[in-house]
Amino acid sequence: TQLLEQSPQFLSIQEGENLTVYCNSSSVFSSLQWYRQEPGEGPVLLVTVVTGGEVKKLKRLTFQFGDARKDSSLHITAAQPGDTGLYLCAGPTQGGSEKLVFGKGTKLTVNP
Amino acid sequence: EPEVTQTPSHQVTQMGQEVILRCVPISNHLYFYWYRQILGQKVEFLVSFYNNEISEKSEIFDDQFSVERPDGSNFTLKIRSTKLEDSAMYFCASSGGLLLPQHFGDGTRLSIL
Repeated sequence: TQLLEQSPQFLSIQEGENLTVYCNSSSVFSSLQWYRQEPGEGPVLLVTVVTGGEVKKLKRLTFQFGDARKDSSLHITAAQPGDTGLYLCAGPTQGGSEKLVFGKGTKLTVNP
Repeated sequence: EPEVTQTPSHQVTQMGQEVILRCVPISNHLYFYWYRQILGQKVEFLVSFYNNEISEKSEIFDDQFSVERPDGSNFTLKIRSTKLEDSAMYFCASSGGLLLPQHFGDGTRLSIL
């Protein structure tokens, strides 16, 4: 069974600080997707990383896919209260399955 | 930007009753999915649907569950005889192709009494 472990589970920081959250697995993924979910809403897709070693930037968010395609990280620069939310990583299971397996998420709180 | 819409946002049902959750996927998408998220737990895959048939389902998706695309725009999840443990957020998702990113709706909170 492919599992995605996210760390830390909770993170509370002050506005303006930088942070990195992690998504790790012992399995290789063909791609990983990062979502952000707010209370009472569905996951909103932020980015998909496909190639090992790939780095993608979305304004103050930088996503990296590990060389071996077993892990990914999300770095936020100068966090703002609007970044508060649950950050989820997800990836398709092996063998061309359409099924996404999700991590449990990192709950980020950015205090003003 | 096109989005997946789900109705109702909250459904309260007595145990043993049938419930139908509705979804309108993004209009040019071909692959449709249902996931659920029990409070405090991970988002879990239930079923995928393509070309008017189930393409994959999880062990959660037993005989009590069914999906249907009754017309060109709606995609439904039916639970025939609800149980207390069916209480969860149910998310519909769609994608434009196999292994392309899946886009999620805001979910239906199902509460079984």
